[in-house]
Amino acid sequence: QVQLVQSGAEVKKPGASVKVSCKASGYTFTSYYMHWVRQAPGQGLEWMGIINPSGGSTSYAQKFQGRVTMTRDTSTSTVYMELSSLRSEDTAVYYCASPRSYGDAFDIWGQGTMVTVSS
Amino acid sequence: EIVMTQSPATLSVSPGERATLSCRASQSVSSNLAWYQQKPGQAPRLLIYGASTRATGIPARFSGSGSGTEFTLTISSLQSEDFAVYYCQQYNNWPGKTFGQGTKVEIK
Repeated sequence: QVQLVQSGAEVKKPGASVKVSCKASGYTFTSYYMHWVRQAPGQGLEWMGIINPSGGSTSYAQKFQGRVTMTRDTSTSTVYMELSSLRSEDTAVYYCASPRSYGDAFDIWGQGTMVTVSS
Repeated sequence: EIVMTQSPATLSVSPGERATLSCRASQSVSSNLAWYQQKPGQAPRLLIYGASTRATGIPARFSGSGSGTEFTLTISSLQSEDFAVYYCQQYNNWPGKTFGQGTKVEIK
């Protein structure tokens, strides 16, 4: 079945970097864009950026420009989101999500990866 | 950036009653609007896309309406499993797909 499976929870110190993976299965990986969305504890959803798994082109929310890098590995149908210079405010659940069947609405979501930034 | 504003922040409703949630865009997003439901510890689930079309498997008690800048999600008769947080999202803009801040539907 169609699914996105993300890597496990991470604990990082301020200033460090984190790299979260999202492995797609059950569909043609290169045919659909992948987005990253985060959610701080008790807060709403925040769009971070998008990657085209086919060519690898990316676009990031202005808030994360210079700190976020999204990449993909077509051989394993996996996308990655790396966030650098972590601070406590980056503590959140990070989701990958893909619009597959309903225009650009996100119908497929990963299970989420909790990233905790703490000294 | 298009700003999405949802109201109210919290809606207290009794089971079996109707719930009406609102979402406003800072500029027109045409009908490129989605609604999601999120329960604690779970990823969001797509309910409505194109402002008014239910995704596969979504019960008919969920309906969406609106276009341009004003949108509404209606749950006609709340079931116990509908108590959750609901988010609207515009996907008219490229590439940013901004979300509203959410409306929590709680049991009255």
